[in-house]
Amino acid sequence: DTGVSQNPRHKITKRGQNVTFRCDPISEHNRLYWYRQTLGQGPEFLTYFQNEAQLEKSRLLSDRFSAERPKGSFSTLEIQRTEQGDSAMYLCASSLMGQGADEAFFGQGTRLTVV
Amino acid sequence: AQSVTQLGSHVSVSEGALVLLRCNYSSSVPPYLFWYVQYPNQGLQLLLKYTTGATLVKGINGFEAEFKKSETSFHLTKPSAHMSDAAEYFCAVSRGLMDSSYKLIFGSGTRLLVRP
Repeated sequence: DTGVSQNPRHKITKRGQNVTFRCDPISEHNRLYWYRQTLGQGPEFLTYFQNEAQLEKSRLLSDRFSAERPKGSFSTLEIQRTEQGDSAMYLCASSLMGQGADEAFFGQGTRLTVV
Repeated sequence: AQSVTQLGSHVSVSEGALVLLRCNYSSSVPPYLFWYVQYPNQGLQLLLKYTTGATLVKGINGFEAEFKKSETSFHLTKPSAHMSDAAEYFCAVSRGLMDSSYKLIFGSGTRLLVRP
């Protein structure tokens, strides 16, 4: 088990472009979370999946953001028409449903810079 | 609504000295409380957690924290700082069993500096 994997680790994009990030959770984990962390702040919850179902979305997740987890395994987070305010670290986490659901394991994150 | 306040965005200690990082929370339901550590350009690693039961919880790398309901606090301590402890530390709260998502609400973090 190699932990939660996120790709790419870094992404620089021009304002207005679309970007997509990928997260591969720990293999047996059926819950998957996306958080956003801006400089000098703690992570903020964006959305979470239980298997392939997206069960909750934060109001931080504007219409330009979409997340999917098509087969209940890996997940993608897409940002359309990026803005400079989207520059942040995007963190993925996973956990088990049931016992251990309270313990989330985080990936190393994808750092997005919008220029 | 839940919230977390971490007092002191930066804490500096000498190697071998006591580490004390402060966390106060607000929650309308019995909270689950967590401390995570983040090294530069890395994700978050769980240090310890409190869910129910014993209020003094021990974690990895010699850290421990005590849940004090009357003070709504969950301060993180380590008796003797090591250079490798230099990192950013985040306190987080969740609604536990009252919220099936178990999503985390984080504080803004405290950067620990360890002087030789």
